[in-house]
Amino acid sequence: AQSVAQPEDQVNVAEGNPLTVKCTYSVSGNPYLFWYVQYPNRGLQFLLKYITGDNLVKGSYGFEAEFNKSQTSFHLKKPSALVSDSALYFCAVRDNRGSTLGRLYFGRGTQLTVWP
Amino acid sequence: EPEVTQTPSHQVTQMGQEVILRCVPISNHLYFYWYRQILGQKVEFLVSFYNNEISEKSEIFDDQFSVERPDGSNFTLKIRSTKLEDSAMYFCASRGDRVEQYFGPGTRLTVT
Repeated sequence: AQSVAQPEDQVNVAEGNPLTVKCTYSVSGNPYLFWYVQYPNRGLQFLLKYITGDNLVKGSYGFEAEFNKSQTSFHLKKPSALVSDSALYFCAVRDNRGSTLGRLYFGRGTQLTVWP
Repeated sequence: EPEVTQTPSHQVTQMGQEVILRCVPISNHLYFYWYRQILGQKVEFLVSFYNNEISEKSEIFDDQFSVERPDGSNFTLKIRSTKLEDSAMYFCASRGDRVEQYFGPGTRLTVT
């Protein structure tokens, strides 16, 4: 069965420090991987995706993510956190087998707090 | 930048009543989705829709649920007879040629 795990409910970092939000997945085949961010009273905003190719993908607002096939992980990273990065982050996987329009499977979300 | 919009932002209804949640996808998108998130749980897929028909639905999407694209802009989710366990945040999403889906802000449905 397809699943996505975000092992940390909360991540707290100081402004200027690097941040990592972890995600592991269990999907057969070659999935597409995504990160979304949710600010209060807003929808899920697309940050970045991995489809194929270079394992390090770059996205919006200075975020990047590293795909590791052997560890089935897709951790979100940023070299220097900002207070404005504080939000709820979701990892999602698209199963490309048997799913015609690409339903997404989500993790529970990780609340990132960046303190000044 | 184009956005997916949803109305209402919050809907309160009594058990057994019908509700219609409305979404306006991004204008040139052709693939549409509904997801929901029960408080404290994961975002879950409900249904996908393309070319005026359901493409895929989850086990959650039973006969009480239906979707429709009544005109060229709206995409609706109807729950015929709401239950307490339908209380959740409902997200609409749309997609164009790219693989990423774009989500609306959600409608919080409260069934009393």
